Amino acid sequence: GESVGLHLPTLSVQEGDNSIINCAYSNSASDYFIWYKQESGKGPQFIIDIRSNMDKRQGQRVTVLLNKTVKHLSLQIAATQPGDSAVYFCADRNPGRRALTFGSGTRLQVQP
Amino acid sequence: ETGVTQSPTHLIKTRGQQVTLRCSSQSGHNTVSWYQQALGQGPQFIFQYYREEENGRGNFPPRFSGLQFPNYSSELNVNALELDDSALYLCASSYDDLSGNTIYFGEGSWLTVV
Repeated sequence: GESVGLHLPTLSVQEGDNSIINCAYSNSASDYFIWYKQESGKGPQFIIDIRSNMDKRQGQRVTVLLNKTVKHLSLQIAATQPGDSAVYFCADRNPGRRALTFGSGTRLQVQP
Repeated sequence: ETGVTQSPTHLIKTRGQQVTLRCSSQSGHNTVSWYQQALGQGPQFIFQYYREEENGRGNFPPRFSGLQFPNYSSELNVNALELDDSALYLCASSYDDLSGNTIYFGEGSWLTVV
């Protein structure tokens, strides 16, 4: 299938290292935030979400940090594996809208 | 596996034609949204349906229309296709989107307009 994100910012890490992917959002009213992983030719796959009343949430090998003061979101992936190679999108939503607003995406490349 | 299925997976249409894309949402989900993802970009919101009613719309012209059926499956229709409509069309479902429940995407339908 076709690949997406041909001209995206790229983060290259060594297998086993920790990865940090950053995202800035613009709407201070946003109350819900999601990280998605998108592999080439596939739809976005849910990774983890966080609501605005939280600063941190942990999943399996992933942690999302939310800094509402500077409108910044980050995704930390522990012990990065080759299967983590993909494009990562953050998305946010404000209470007055129905839509998710997606960031431009970051390509994560894991070097063996 | 998200439980959101879309069809067809790939299709090619000629400029000026019409296309219908279909989505079956995850069991129990009553909210369906459609997004367009152009190559190299993030998904852009087209519209959302909640309990068979359009519940919000993005910046897309009226030739983009949709339906949601009583079983909560959905269709996206695009009339008078243009070359720039070539993209991945994504369906996303959730339960009662009003409360910020997790939103799951299907694998998408790749549309090429020639």
